[in-house]
Amino acid sequence: DIQMTQSPASLSASVGDRVTITCQASQAISNYLNWYQQKPGKAPELLIYDASNLKTGVPSRFSGSGSGTDFTFTITSVQPEDVATYYCQQYNTLPFTFGPGAKVTIK
Amino acid sequence: QVQLVESGGGVVQPGTSLRLSCAASGFTFSSYGMHWVRQAPGKGLEWVAVISYDGRNKYTAQSVKGRFTISRDNSKNTLYLQMNSLRAEDTAVYYCAKDYISTYSYFDYWGQGTLVTVSS
Repeated sequence: DIQMTQSPASLSASVGDRVTITCQASQAISNYLNWYQQKPGKAPELLIYDASNLKTGVPSRFSGSGSGTDFTFTITSVQPEDVATYYCQQYNTLPFTFGPGAKVTIK
Repeated sequence: QVQLVESGGGVVQPGTSLRLSCAASGFTFSSYGMHWVRQAPGKGLEWVAVISYDGRNKYTAQSVKGRFTISRDNSKNTLYLQMNSLRAEDTAVYYCAKDYISTYSYFDYWGQGTLVTVSS
């Protein structure tokens, strides 16, 4: 199975800060990497697919990049409503696997 | 708009069975792959199973292989997860999720989840 790691596991940022989360795959997955946001007590929601494509309706302050084994998720100006856990997920190979998540809080 | 509504969760004893359902609306159900993803209390997301648009191709995670079966009824716009020989470690919120394409890619819509608790 492809193992996904994320860093950091948690972070606290001030409103307006730039937030960056990294995701690494244990083997190359091309760009078959997605990012999901899960707000407390809610179901996950897709934000970014295929490493860098923003789902329609998702604010442009969210972005993603990377290919192969190393990926980055960025919130350019974090807002209070961005408090959530963010998961990366690969679909290059079954079984699909998620990273352990990165929890974002506001100072 | 796309809606996915899970049902069938509850409290069951170890070794028993449960069937989850996911009622879909707002899209052509028979054209898309569908998934089950679970989340144990306070833990991360774990993919469980996928089924292709026509039900002919199915894959399940090793952790549930031989115990869980994914299926679908396109005439009823409903996805199912038959869970047998349940264990304490199967305790989780179970989400159904729609795939972007007919087989598998990314999960573009999710249901609200249904809680399964396996406890004696």
